[in-house]
Amino acid sequence: EIVLTQSPGTLSLSPGERATLSCRASQSVSSTNLAWYQQKPGQIPRLLIYGASSRATGTPDRFSGSGSGTDFTLTISRLEPEDFAVYYCQQFGTSPLFSFGPGTKLDVK
Amino acid sequence: EVQLVESGGGLVQPGGSLRLSCVASGFSFSSYSMDWIRQAPGKGLEWVANIGGSGSSRYYPDSVGGRFTISRDNAKRSLYLQVNNLRDEDTAVYYCVRENLWAFDIWGQGTMVTVSS
Repeated sequence: EIVLTQSPGTLSLSPGERATLSCRASQSVSSTNLAWYQQKPGQIPRLLIYGASSRATGTPDRFSGSGSGTDFTLTISRLEPEDFAVYYCQQFGTSPLFSFGPGTKLDVK
Repeated sequence: EVQLVESGGGLVQPGGSLRLSCVASGFSFSSYSMDWIRQAPGKGLEWVANIGGSGSSRYYPDSVGGRFTISRDNAKRSLYLQVNNLRDEDTAVYYCVRENLWAFDIWGQGTMVTVSS
C-alpha cells in the first residue's frame, strides 16, 4: 500500500514569499500519476497540478510542481493572498488505486 | 458548463443505508471514469470508489470493506453510490468527481452524510 506523507503540516508565510510544500511516497510513484489540489475553507478541492508538473486549466504560473520517484514538491513562487489554503497531494497506483496525503495548511504569518 | 450535482445525503442511523446520486452535464459522461471521494468534518480527502466509463470495472479501498457499491447509468448521465451498514466514521461530505489523466479535475459541491443515532 502506497502511503503519502506531506510536510510540513503547517507552513506560515507572508504574501510575496516563496512556498515549498513536500509530498513523499512510501513507494515509487510514476510522475504521470501525482497530482496536487488546493482547498480553501468552505470550498471544494481544486486540481492545480497533474502529472507531477503540468498545470491544470486556470492554474496560475506561480504554481509549479516537480519531483519523481518518492519525492515531489509543489512550489508557489510568490504568495498571493488567495493562495493561503490547504494543499493535498494525490497518487494513482495499484493499492489503493488512489490515495491522498494528509495535507499541508498554508497560513498567513 | 461542465457540472456535477450530487444528491441523496442526509441523516441516517448506524447500520442504515443510503443511495447517493450524481448527475453530470457539459461533457461526454461515458468517456470518463468517475469516482466518489469523501471528506469527514475537519479532515482530509479519502477516495472511496471508482468506476470505468463503461461501468465494467469498479475499484474500492479496503477501508470500505464491501459496504459501498458504485454504479452508473450512462444514458441518464448519472453516477451512484450505494452505502450500506453505515458507521459513525462514514460521516462526511461525499463528492462526485470526474477522473482525467489519473487526477480529479471536476468536483461536485458534495452531499453530506451524517451517521448518528
